[in-house]
Amino acid sequence: SAVISQKPSRDICQRGTSLTIQCQVDSQVTMMFWYRQQPGQSLTLIATANQGSEATYESGFVIDKFPISRPNLTFSTLTVSNMSPEDSSIYLCSVAQGAGNNEQFFGPGTRLTVL
Amino acid sequence: EDQVTQSPEALRLQEGESSSLNCSYTVSGLRGLFWYRQDPGKGPEFLFTLYSAGEEKEKERLKATLTKKESFLHITAPKPEDSATYLCAVANTGGFKTIFGAGTRLFVKA
Repeated sequence: SAVISQKPSRDICQRGTSLTIQCQVDSQVTMMFWYRQQPGQSLTLIATANQGSEATYESGFVIDKFPISRPNLTFSTLTVSNMSPEDSSIYLCSVAQGAGNNEQFFGPGTRLTVL
Repeated sequence: EDQVTQSPEALRLQEGESSSLNCSYTVSGLRGLFWYRQDPGKGPEFLFTLYSAGEEKEKERLKATLTKKESFLHITAPKPEDSATYLCAVANTGGFKTIFGAGTRLFVKA
């Protein structure tokens, strides 16, 4: 399975600023995903990021707020823009592998606190 | 709309006390049902994929089963190190979007 790292692992940010989260994979993968996990809750998909195409956003998430880059098959970034305390959450990237890309493997997450 | 409901929300067991976690789901067409384990402060760890009713998969003390409406994660003779949140998720045949349940927090006491 792929080994996934994320930077930063945690951050405390001021309201109105932006934070870019990096996701690095140790092998080439086609499909990458960004999730949000709010305290005590489950995972919600923000967007799917496939190399060579624009990210596909889920309902409730927009590109202006969560711009995503996917420059190659091993790297992606998620930016949380113009942050508010409601953006405080854990942000996770994952990759799809296995037969039919049916298995997702997750990074360790980035814990974001917005003051 | 695809939906996943897990029960119970939390489960406390004594070491060696076997039990089961439930995952009820509705999906337009099942591409796969997934079980993950998540430890505090970490990302989910993939456990199993089940594709069709009647399928079973095992890993150490864990066994996952699937029917047309629900899946069970059976834990046999659990140990304290099995304490974690167990997440169930489904994906439909229309794409790769995965819907996660809220999880079951398992506590195993020595």
